[in-house]
Amino acid sequence: GQNIDQPTEMTATEGAIVQINCTYQTSGFNGLFWYQQHAGEAPTFLSYNVLDGLEEKGRFSSFLSRSKGYSYLLLKELQMKDSASYLCAVQYSGAGSYQLTFGKGTKLSVIP
Amino acid sequence: EAQVTQNPRYLITVTGKKLTVTCSQNMNHEYMSWYRQDPGLGLRQIYYSMNVEVTDKGDVPEGYKVSRKEKRNFPLILESPSPNQTSLYFCASSSRRTVPQETQYFGPGTRLLVL
Repeated sequence: GQNIDQPTEMTATEGAIVQINCTYQTSGFNGLFWYQQHAGEAPTFLSYNVLDGLEEKGRFSSFLSRSKGYSYLLLKELQMKDSASYLCAVQYSGAGSYQLTFGKGTKLSVIP
Repeated sequence: EAQVTQNPRYLITVTGKKLTVTCSQNMNHEYMSWYRQDPGLGLRQIYYSMNVEVTDKGDVPEGYKVSRKEKRNFPLILESPSPNQTSLYFCASSSRRTVPQETQYFGPGTRLLVL
């Protein structure tokens, strides 16, 4: 499978900004998703990038550089409820374009 | 309400006792998938189905079976469960018609313990 790399854990302070990076192999790249997952719960969709640049959605933004195989998720004005794991998932073309390869997730802890 | 449902949510069983985890979606999605999630390993795909009667192996299919007789249902079958199949299982569905295209929607998860 394709390797998706993201940091295992991060800690940030309430009200601050945090950036979670994700790198991936570029061959066959089709699009990139970010999901949020609270402990013991299902992943929920946050953002999708297919073209280079920044997609902004409220306090969350996601950036993509296709040529560098790099994405980041930016969370602003952190709240305690943002404590969760953030999963980077890459859609690769191939046998079926629905296929997603997930990174192992970044566990974000927001502290007061 | 558009959703993916899984049953049971929690299950404790013993080695070798066949079990089935059901998954159903009401969004008319053509694509369905099963994942397992383990600490330190992330989400790994077990099997997927592009449409009715079309299934294929994911990254970790050993010890599992699936079927897709109807569009809405995609059960996961463990014929002879073993302790290494203790995990948190998620079913997901998607479609080219969703916005963004092919966004995967996840069920609530099934926590399985095999003794």
